[in-house]
Amino acid sequence: RKEVEQDPGPFNVPEGATVAFNCTYSNSASQSFFWYRQDCRKEPKLLMSVYSSGNEDGRFTAQLNRASQYISLLIRDSKLSDSATYLCVVNDRYGNKLVFGAGTILRVKS
Amino acid sequence: GAVVSQHPSRVICKSGTSVKIECRSLDFQATTMFWYRQFPKQSLMLMATSNEGSKATYEQGVEKDKFLINHASLTLSTLTVTSAHPEDSSFYICSASGTSGGDTDTQYFGPGTRLTVL
Repeated sequence: RKEVEQDPGPFNVPEGATVAFNCTYSNSASQSFFWYRQDCRKEPKLLMSVYSSGNEDGRFTAQLNRASQYISLLIRDSKLSDSATYLCVVNDRYGNKLVFGAGTILRVKS
Repeated sequence: GAVVSQHPSRVICKSGTSVKIECRSLDFQATTMFWYRQFPKQSLMLMATSNEGSKATYEQGVEKDKFLINHASLTLSTLTVTSAHPEDSSFYICSASGTSGGDTDTQYFGPGTRLTVL
C-alpha cells in the first residue's frame, strides 16, 4: 500500500466550479500535512499547510481527519490558472522527510 | 526569502558519463538538504537526506555509490550521478531546510534539473 494515496484524475471542471480532492495516508505517526501544487515540468510549490482544525486561504480550504487518516482540499470558484497537479504531502515524525502522493491533475476550462 | 537554486536546469549527456548537479540556498543556511527524483507522471521520490558536514542518508533502493552526495557547506549540496545510463533520465529536485531565513521544518524546493542520458 502506498504511504500517500490520491485519485490521479484528471478532474476537468469549468471555470467557477468548486472541486474537491481527497488523500489518504497510511502512517498514523505522521505529524504534518501539506498540499503542494506542481505545474508541468516545474518544481512543487507549497500551496498550504493542513491543520487539524481545518484552514482556509482565500478560495482554498484544507481539512484533516486524523482518525480516518484523510486529508482534503477544496477549491472554490476555479480559475484557469488553477490548472495544475495537486500533491498531497505528509511529513513523518522522523528525519523531517516529506512523502509525496502521486498527485491529482486538475484542468479548469473556459 | 528562502530561495533555492539548482544548476544546471537541464543537462543532456552520453551514457557512461558523470553529471554533477548543484543545489544552493541563496539567502539562508540549509542545515539539511534533500534530493528527490521524479519520473514522468509519478510522484517525487526521496533519494537521500544530507546534513552539512556529515554523510548522506540514502533511501532504500538508492545506490550510494552511484548517486554521490556532498553537503560541504551550509549553502551548497551537490549530487553526482556517476556512470549515467538512460534509465537515470529523470527530473532531479533538491530542497533545503534550515534555521535562518525560513521556518525550521519547511522545505524550500529548487527549480529542478532535467537529466537526459542518451
